[in-house]
Amino acid sequence: EAQLVESGGGLVQTGGSLRLSCFASGFAFSNYAVSWVRQAPGRGLEWLCAITGDGAITWYPKSAKGRFTISRDNSRSTLYLQMNSLRTEDTALYYCARDRRYPADIFDLWGQGTMVTVSS
Amino acid sequence: DIQMTQSPPSLSASVGDRVTITCQASQDINNCVNWYQQKPGKAPTLLIYDASILERGVPSRFSGSGSGTDFSFTITSLQPEDIATYYCHNHRDLPHFGGGTKVDLK
Repeated sequence: EAQLVESGGGLVQTGGSLRLSCFASGFAFSNYAVSWVRQAPGRGLEWLCAITGDGAITWYPKSAKGRFTISRDNSRSTLYLQMNSLRTEDTALYYCARDRRYPADIFDLWGQGTMVTVSS
Repeated sequence: DIQMTQSPPSLSASVGDRVTITCQASQDINNCVNWYQQKPGKAPTLLIYDASILERGVPSRFSGSGSGTDFSFTITSLQPEDIATYYCHNHRDLPHFGGGTKVDLK
């Protein structure tokens, strides 16, 4: 069964850093682009970034560029999100999601999410 | 960036009712819209992709339509297990989600 499992969330102070991981199993991880999507408490979904299957191309909206870095290690079937200079507004549940055809097109498999809380 | 305006933000309906949610894109996005369901405390799941294609395993009471700037999502006969928040998602250019529609039982 295809599955994504996020980890690495926790409590961090403003200005701090955190690296999230997403382990994939049950499918050929390197064949798929993957994305990070977050959801602040009681709010909607926000796409953060995506990376191609070979890791060669990454894609960010303006709001995430510079502070967030997506990467992957296909030998470990793992996706990463490095988050720096964290702000209270980054408090959210962070999901990884598999992209069906190309980066951020169709999120057809989601993890259960990992919670990040940024406190001042 | 292409913005997605989803409405209504919430609705209450009875079991068996027809429910329709709309999303309007700020510019022509062809058929690049997906619809997701998110139940409380759970991750979203894909229901419809490319505006009208039903994801495998999703009940046929769910459907989507539209192209260009106007899209709709319909549940033909609401079931208790359909209580959730539904999101549209534009994947033309930079991806954006609509604000969500919370569906509950009247």
